[in-house]
Amino acid sequence: DQQVKQNSPSLSVQEGRISILNCDYTNSMFDYFLWYKKYPAEGPTFLISISSIKDKNEDGRFTVFLNKSAKHLSLHIVPSQPGDSAVYFCAASGDNAGNMLTFGGGTRLMVKP
Amino acid sequence: KAGVTQTPRYLIKTRGQQVTLSCSPISGHRSVSWYQQTPGQGLQFLFEYFSETQRNKGNFPGRFSGRQFSNSRSEMNVSTLELGDSALYLCASRNTGTASYEQYFGPGTRLTVT
Repeated sequence: DQQVKQNSPSLSVQEGRISILNCDYTNSMFDYFLWYKKYPAEGPTFLISISSIKDKNEDGRFTVFLNKSAKHLSLHIVPSQPGDSAVYFCAASGDNAGNMLTFGGGTRLMVKP
Repeated sequence: KAGVTQTPRYLIKTRGQQVTLSCSPISGHRSVSWYQQTPGQGLQFLFEYFSETQRNKGNFPGRFSGRQFSNSRSEMNVSTLELGDSALYLCASRNTGTASYEQYFGPGTRLTVT
C-alpha cells in the first residue's frame, strides 16, 4: 500500500519555463511534507518543506503548494535551469516528530537548454 | 559544518554473510535514521535512533538491526545476507532541537550481494 505516490515517473521541461512536480498521499495523519532532489550516486538533498497548517511555502525559485482536502502537494520550480535535472522525491511525516519519512517513488526531471 | 558521512561507500558481499555499515551524523544532530533504496521498492524507512535508543522501526525483518553510540554515530547490521538486500543504504540525521522536520542525508553505501 503506497501511502505517498508520484504518478509521473518523468517530466521534461524547457529551460526558463515552469516545472511542476506532483505528489498525492492517502494517509490523513501526515502533517509535514518535504521535497528532496537526488543526483545519481549521491544522497537526497533537502529542498523545501511545508507543514499541514500552511498551504504554500516559498524559497527562491521553489514553491510548494499543499491541498489537504485533495491530499495533494506540488513543487513548482520557476524558472527551471538545466542544473535542476535530477530525480525529485516527495516525502511525508506523520509521527509528530519527523523521525520517519515515507517517500514517493520519485519523478525524473529533465530541463532542456 | 561537515555533512553526514557514511562508510564504506561501496561493498560487495556474498549471500549468507553479514555486513556492518557506519554513519556519522552532522555535528549536533542526535537523531539518525536509516533508509534502503531499491529500484523496485523505492526509498523505505528502516529505523531511527536517538540517544542510543531505537525509537522507530520500519517493516523489515529482524536480520536488519542497528545501534547508536554516545557520540550519535550509528551503525546498521544486516545478517545472513540475501540477494534482495542489494541496495543503496542511506543514513540521515536531524537536529531535534528545532521545530523543523528536515532530515539531511549522507551519500549512501551501495551494497551488492552476490
